[in-house]
Amino acid sequence: EIVLTQSPVTLSLSPGERATLSCRASQSLSNYLAWYQHKPGQAPRLLIYDASNRATGIPTRFSGSGSGTDFTLTISSLEPEDFAVYYCQQRTSWPRTFGQGTKVEIK
Amino acid sequence: EVQLLESGGGLVQPGGSRRLSCAASGFTFWNSAMTWVRQVPGKGLEWVSTISGFGGETFYADSVKGRFTISRDNFKNTVSLQMNSLRTEETAVYYCARGGHFSHFDYWGQGILVTVSS
Repeated sequence: EIVLTQSPVTLSLSPGERATLSCRASQSLSNYLAWYQHKPGQAPRLLIYDASNRATGIPTRFSGSGSGTDFTLTISSLEPEDFAVYYCQQRTSWPRTFGQGTKVEIK
Repeated sequence: EVQLLESGGGLVQPGGSRRLSCAASGFTFWNSAMTWVRQVPGKGLEWVSTISGFGGETFYADSVKGRFTISRDNFKNTVSLQMNSLRTEETAVYYCARGGHFSHFDYWGQGILVTVSS
């Protein structure tokens, strides 16, 4: 099973600041990594697929990078609606796995 | 517009069974893989099961293998999750999502709560 480790666990930032989230895999994923945003009581939302492709309707302030075992989600300038939990997820092998999540909270 | 609507949640006793359904619309269902993901309260997202577009392949998390069965009806545009021998630690919100086989999960339902408790 591929283990995804996200860091930090919590990120405390102010609106307008840049957020950098990390996801490290226990083995190479090629580029088969996605990022999701999840807010309480809502459905998770796909932000980035295959490491660096923005999903439909996702603002350009969200960007993904990386390959192999190290991946990054960057939010260039935080908007109030961006405070949420973010998960990475791999589709390289079965079982599909998620990271444990990074909570981006308002400082 | 893609819509995924889960149903079938509720209270079930430990060791009991429950069947979840997900009604899909707004896309070509028959060639889309479908997945169930769950979230235990206060915890992260956990992949449960995926079924391929034609239903020929199914995949399960080890924790549910042998107890849960995923299926689909390509005429009714529904995917189901039959859950048997439920455990208290499987109290969770269960989400239906599109994708999971050759793609990530690009659309999600709102989720449905299953509570396993006596």
